[in-house]
Amino acid sequence: DAGVIQSPRHEVTEMGQEVTLRCKPISGHDYLFWYRQTMMRGLELLIYFNNNVPIDDSGMPEDRFSAKMPNASFSTLKIQPSEPRDSAVYFCASSDRMLNTEAFFGQGTRLTVV
Amino acid sequence: GESVGLHLPTLSVQEGDNSIINCAYSNSASDYFIWYKQESGKGPQFIIDIRSNMDKRQGQRVTVLLNKTVKHLSLQIAATQPGDSAVYFCAENIGGGFKTIFGAGTRLFVKA
Repeated sequence: DAGVIQSPRHEVTEMGQEVTLRCKPISGHDYLFWYRQTMMRGLELLIYFNNNVPIDDSGMPEDRFSAKMPNASFSTLKIQPSEPRDSAVYFCASSDRMLNTEAFFGQGTRLTVV
Repeated sequence: GESVGLHLPTLSVQEGDNSIINCAYSNSASDYFIWYKQESGKGPQFIIDIRSNMDKRQGQRVTVLLNKTVKHLSLQIAATQPGDSAVYFCAENIGGGFKTIFGAGTRLFVKA
């Protein structure tokens, strides 16, 4: 398996624009997590899904953030409208609860909002 | 609160020496702990885990110790190598093991 795949790797956008980050989890994994990493706040869990259903979105900072998982192989994190303080590295991770509870992370998307 | 390892220390060790990275956690109900390694430009990578019913677990060159009395985790790396240079995060799973909360991390520098 190629691991968790995120796209794009880098995104630069202007304030006010909509940004969509994409994630393909490892095949067979039924848990998917979205994290945000900044120098100030470290790694923060934003939301996680189980079998495509959002379980806990308490980490989503504002209504400008939304996440979807239309099927087992694809998830999106959308920010609309984006703001400079959203600049961060966004990671997607997946895990298979039946085998273990470690999460496998993607390479991340570095978002810069100017 | 849900906080793990809020400090961000930096550890510098000589190649070949042993490294010990420490982490404090605050949630008594956490029952599963994980150490991750993050290299520059990459996502965190699993190193080793331990459940709360254990005090110690060993892997290849790494050992994790858990002291539930003082809510403390440590990661020991034997014979540290330049490739071990990275940021190390401890993390705890809350609520049945699906919600992982990460600590602030420790940066390890290995001097050749």
